[in-house]
Amino acid sequence: DQQVKQNSPSLSVQEGRISILNCDYTNSMFDYFLWYKKYPAEGPTFLISISSIKDKNEDGRFTVFLNKSAKHLSLHIVPSQPGDSAVYFCAASDDPTSGTYKYIFGTGTRLKVLA
Amino acid sequence: DAGITQSPRHKVTETGTPVTLRCHQTENHRYMYWYRQDPGHGLRLIHYSYGVKDTDKGEVSDGYSVSRSKTEDFLLTLESATSSQTSVYFCAIKGLGETQYFGPGTRLLVL
Repeated sequence: DQQVKQNSPSLSVQEGRISILNCDYTNSMFDYFLWYKKYPAEGPTFLISISSIKDKNEDGRFTVFLNKSAKHLSLHIVPSQPGDSAVYFCAASDDPTSGTYKYIFGTGTRLKVLA
Repeated sequence: DAGITQSPRHKVTETGTPVTLRCHQTENHRYMYWYRQDPGHGLRLIHYSYGVKDTDKGEVSDGYSVSRSKTEDFLLTLESATSSQTSVYFCAIKGLGETQYFGPGTRLLVL
């Protein structure tokens, strides 16, 4: 049973427009969430995080929104650029108290930004 | 750059042979992790370490063992490689806060 789901395997967006990547989770104990970007043949790169005590976190063109009641988070990229074309993973922490900092990852969404 | 290197970067091996992958970090991080990435599965945790000689299993640990005899090195061993272990393997460390930072990956093909 997949606890972190990214239901859209792929997304295409025009350059300059908004990209919205979605992530759903099932475990209400998850309390910290991360987004990563991954280019081919490279390791994932950390983008942005959000704690369950917040509902929004912003860093430049990237904003993450968290809706705890819906168990849903989304990553907004505005404006989208061709260099944003990559696979995006969301991840959720399922060990809020043990301190092992383990994460469960979604299956990823491939974003293609069209010039 | 979290100072993480992985070796080898690519490896082809035969079914039944042992394989060891190395993760090396230069910044004295306590927590280290091994993941595998497969199409349709995202990143799945194999094993992790929370200090020298302190390790524990992740969600897909069968067929894998790990060792951490010093802070900077975390080794992943496939005791007897199988074709189902063909994958891309990533090492990660816990950085500032609760964020993990990943190495460049090792692409393993088991024939």
